[in-house]
Amino acid sequence: SQTIHQWPATLVQPVGSPLSLECTVEGTSNPNLYWYRQAAGRGLQLLFYSVGIGQISSEVPQNLSASRPQDRQFILSSKKLLLSDSGFYLCAYSRAPREGTGELFFGEGSRLTVL
Amino acid sequence: KNQVEQSPQSLIILEGKNCTLQCNYTVSPFSNLRWYKQDTGRGPVSLTIMTFSENTKSNRRYTATLDADTKQSSLHITASQLSDSASYICVVSARGSQGNLIFGKGTKLSVKP
Repeated sequence: SQTIHQWPATLVQPVGSPLSLECTVEGTSNPNLYWYRQAAGRGLQLLFYSVGIGQISSEVPQNLSASRPQDRQFILSSKKLLLSDSGFYLCAYSRAPREGTGELFFGEGSRLTVL
Repeated sequence: KNQVEQSPQSLIILEGKNCTLQCNYTVSPFSNLRWYKQDTGRGPVSLTIMTFSENTKSNRRYTATLDADTKQSSLHITASQLSDSASYICVVSARGSQGNLIFGKGTKLSVKP
């Protein structure tokens, strides 16, 4: 069966510190991988997606970056966090080709608070 | 502009009662529509998917409808349970858009005993 793991679950970081959120998928090969951010009272915002190793597309210019060093590993990073980076970050994967017809499977989320 | 609007924003009902959540969209060309359930502090989980040719689909106590002409969908929950308390998110996919998914802001449902 396919599973998705995301960590850490919660994180409190000072402004200007670095960030690394990790996500791994098990049970499927060559998944499409996504990072979303969910702010209170707002819909999910797509940050990055990847269709293969080393292939990253950014949807929104921002203080964050993403990397895919292995087929089933997706990392969200920042060199210097801003207060506005606080939020709930969700990693997701899909098995279908990237035409948007595939179901998204979400991780459990990472709650980031920047102080 | 592709948009997904959900109503109501929040809803409180008593356990055992039914409720209906609404989703209106202006996504074109339409590919499919999904309803997700998101428990507080957790990742969303898919409840059902509706394609263009489908009008009604049921999953246990959840029944989704789709009217592709009026671009409206609803999610009906029957005999609500406390565990139904969650946010319900409507997500519409545009065909041929390289996987662009348009998310609604969700309806927060609270089921009270």
